[in-house]
Amino acid sequence: NAGVTQTPKFQVLKTGQSMTLQCAQDMNHEYMSWYRQDPGMGLRLIHYSVGAGITDQGEVPNGYNVSRSTTEDFPLRLLSAAPSQTSVYFCASSYSGGPFFNEQYFGPGTRLTVT
Amino acid sequence: KNQVEQSPQSLIILEGKNCTLQCNYTVSPFSNLRWYKQDTGRGPVSLTIMTFSENTKSNGRYTATLDADTKQSSLHITASQLSDSASYICVVILTSGTYKYIFGTGTRLKVLA
Repeated sequence: NAGVTQTPKFQVLKTGQSMTLQCAQDMNHEYMSWYRQDPGMGLRLIHYSVGAGITDQGEVPNGYNVSRSTTEDFPLRLLSAAPSQTSVYFCASSYSGGPFFNEQYFGPGTRLTVT
Repeated sequence: KNQVEQSPQSLIILEGKNCTLQCNYTVSPFSNLRWYKQDTGRGPVSLTIMTFSENTKSNGRYTATLDADTKQSSLHITASQLSDSASYICVVILTSGTYKYIFGTGTRLKVLA
């Protein structure tokens, strides 16, 4: 199993540009999440999905969109990049029942810089 | 306010020495507490998961303790190795109405040869 994979590993955007961060998992996990990690702060939840076709907002959803058309993939879209979105983004997945009682597996991260 | 505070922020030790990292939390009610290891440039990896009724959980040279009365947890690393150099993150799962991960900001550990 490859586990949770993310692409790209690094990305530089100009303010106003849009892009999609890719996330895939091959563990047949129902639950997937996107987090951002900023210096001096704990990870913060952006969006999550409890299964294909079902998504919901986390604590910092503004400026981001998600969709879940398959169990394996959970892309994160930045609609109009802003410097405040400079961060490291992590995708995570866990078994049905969610990450609150089960193990949560994190991807390697995407480091995004917005200039 | 539900918070998780970790200390120290950073720590340098010599290879072979032991160390203890602290986690104080005000999260209530909670279902479990987790410790993660995050290598530089990588995602967090789970070390231990403890329910509120457990006092200790080990994973090799890593031993986590939990005192739910004082709302404190610690992660003890025995006989440190260079590969232990990483950030260690304490996470408490809040269960008030909805479930939520409350992340600490981590302790950055550096092990020197």
